[in-house]
Amino acid sequence: DQQVKQNSPSLSVQEGRISILNCDYTNSMFDYFLWYKKYPAEGPTFLISISSIKDKNEDGRFTVFLNKSAKHLSLHIVPSQPGDSAVYFCAARDGGGSEKLVFGKGTKLTVNP
Amino acid sequence: EAGVTQFPSHSVIEKGQTVTLRCDPISGHDNLYWYRRVMGKEIKFLLHFVKESKQDESGMPNNRFLAERTGGTYSTLKVQPAELEDSGVYFCASSLGAWSDYNSPLHFGNGTRLTVT
Repeated sequence: DQQVKQNSPSLSVQEGRISILNCDYTNSMFDYFLWYKKYPAEGPTFLISISSIKDKNEDGRFTVFLNKSAKHLSLHIVPSQPGDSAVYFCAARDGGGSEKLVFGKGTKLTVNP
Repeated sequence: EAGVTQFPSHSVIEKGQTVTLRCDPISGHDNLYWYRRVMGKEIKFLLHFVKESKQDESGMPNNRFLAERTGGTYSTLKVQPAELEDSGVYFCASSLGAWSDYNSPLHFGNGTRLTVT
């Protein structure tokens, strides 16, 4: 049973517009959430993270929002650039002391020039 | 600084054969992880080393998989005998300390694509 769900397998946006990638989770013990970006034939690259005690974290063009009551987080990219085209993975850590990450299936973002 | 390096980048073997994947973490990183992504599904945790000790191997699918990290440097993941369902991309990752320290992100290698025919 998937504990981290990315229900949109793909998303297409125009350059300069906002990209919003969504992620839902079921395990209320998750205490830390991350977004990774992955280009073809490369490994995932850390993008941004957020602790469960916060509801927002911002780093340049990237902002992650966390809604604990809804068990939902989202990644906003503003403005989107063609180089942002990649697969984005949402991941979460079980707060029970484990260091392992639970990943979603990923959303493929395409930013059109 | 060299990143996490994995060998080989691709491996094609027949069912029943043995394959050994290697991971060289970033120098000085005590924490080493193996993950696997099967056929466009989610990336799944396999195990976690702290230096040469297995901290968590709860994700290892079965006893056909053996991971080692002798000396606490590089790690190997052996699959013996390989089955069709073992096909996928095997990622290795490392971190200086516990990755959940905000200043110690998890660095992934480019992965080894394993195809079992």
